[in-house]
Amino acid sequence: QQKVQQSPESLTVSEGAMASLNCTFSDRSSDNFRWYRQHSGKGLEVLVSIFSDGEKEEGSFTAHLNRASLHVFLHIREPQPSDSALYLCAVRARGSALGRLHFGAGTQLIVIP
Amino acid sequence: EAAVTQSPRNKVTVTGGNVTLSCRQTNSHNYMYWYRQDTGHGLRLIHYSYGAGNLQIGDVPDGYKATRTTQEDFFLLLELASPSQTSLYFCASSDAGGPSAETLYFGSGTRLTVL
Repeated sequence: QQKVQQSPESLTVSEGAMASLNCTFSDRSSDNFRWYRQHSGKGLEVLVSIFSDGEKEEGSFTAHLNRASLHVFLHIREPQPSDSALYLCAVRARGSALGRLHFGAGTQLIVIP
Repeated sequence: EAAVTQSPRNKVTVTGGNVTLSCRQTNSHNYMYWYRQDTGHGLRLIHYSYGAGNLQIGDVPDGYKATRTTQEDFFLLLELASPSQTSLYFCASSDAGGPSAETLYFGSGTRLTVL
């Protein structure tokens, strides 16, 4: 079964400094990767979806996928205190229904002014 | 924009109690999902369905039943609730094809506490 792990568990950065989050997965045939953000007590907000190796940018969020090394990264450019939230990586195996996602446990990002 | 509505928003029950969580989606999406979210585990898939009357088992189905009565409505049933089922539950929907095929819509969540 697909295993998805995220690191670090918690990350504190200063406002404006780049934040980098890591996600590793176990099934190299996976074809759909997403990063979600969840503010405390709220639902999930999709930030960026990526389907092939390389980079995908959405606003201040950039996902970088390297299937050979089983990694997908999220870089947040110039984070603001309002970006403080739980960030979740989600991975889908090839051929599965879209919502048949496996999630990591998340990285708690804290952005200090 | 597709909407997914969950009810209730919060629910408290006792061990052994009977609980039903409801989910309704607009736009007649084919697929609907129930997830639970727990600290240290992220979201885990309980059950999902690709149409009325259909049910597929997810990754953590024990202790849960689900029923898809219509294209719009998907219910999660806990017939003998246990404290281990205290969690935040999310419903989601997606289409199998068309321009929204790669979009997964989440509800706002139901927080369930089993005492």
